[in-house]
Amino acid sequence: QVQLVQSGAEVKKPGASVKVSCEASGYTFVSYAINWVRQAPGQGLEWMGWISIYNAKTKYAQKFQGRVTMTTDTSTSTAYMELRSLRSDDTAVYYCVRERGGTTSDWFDPWGPGTLVTVSS
Amino acid sequence: DIQMTQSPSSLSASVGDRVTITCRASQSISTYLNWYQQKPGQAPTILIYAVSSLQSGVPSRFSGSGSGTEFTLTISSLQPEDFATYFCQQCYSPPRTFGQGTKVEIK
Repeated sequence: QVQLVQSGAEVKKPGASVKVSCEASGYTFVSYAINWVRQAPGQGLEWMGWISIYNAKTKYAQKFQGRVTMTTDTSTSTAYMELRSLRSDDTAVYYCVRERGGTTSDWFDPWGPGTLVTVSS
Repeated sequence: DIQMTQSPSSLSASVGDRVTITCRASQSISTYLNWYQQKPGQAPTILIYAVSSLQSGVPSRFSGSGSGTEFTLTISSLQPEDFATYFCQQCYSPPRTFGQGTKVEIK
């Protein structure tokens, strides 16, 4: 079945970087884009950006421009999200999500289990 | 950016109740509107995409409607497993914004 497996929880100090991985299985990796969404404790969902696996084209939310980089390794069907210059308000669960598309909408399915990133001095 | 506003932010309901959640977009998003369910400690899952298309495996008590800027998620008869938080999302243009969520709690 289609599955996204993410790397384990991380604890980082302010100013550091974190790189979260997302390994896909059960489908043709290059055929679907991957999005990254984060959720701060007790808060809503925040879209961070998107990467096309086919051509590595990216689109980042304005809020994260210059601080985030999304990449892929097609040889291992893995997507990566690196966030730099971490602050305490970056503490959140980070999800990778496959994007599906049709003629009348795109949608996110499935979601990875999430990776908790804690930023604390 | 397109803003998505859900109402109410929370509601209390009993098993068997009919529940309606509204999502309003700051501009027309055509049919690019999806609904997700999130249970505590879990990742969200897709319920409905393209306004009214039920994801495979989702019970038929869930339905979606609307167009343009105003959309609705309806649970026809609330079941114990439906107590969760529901998010709408627009995929019309980036950033792919979400509503703030509606928490459905047991009365």
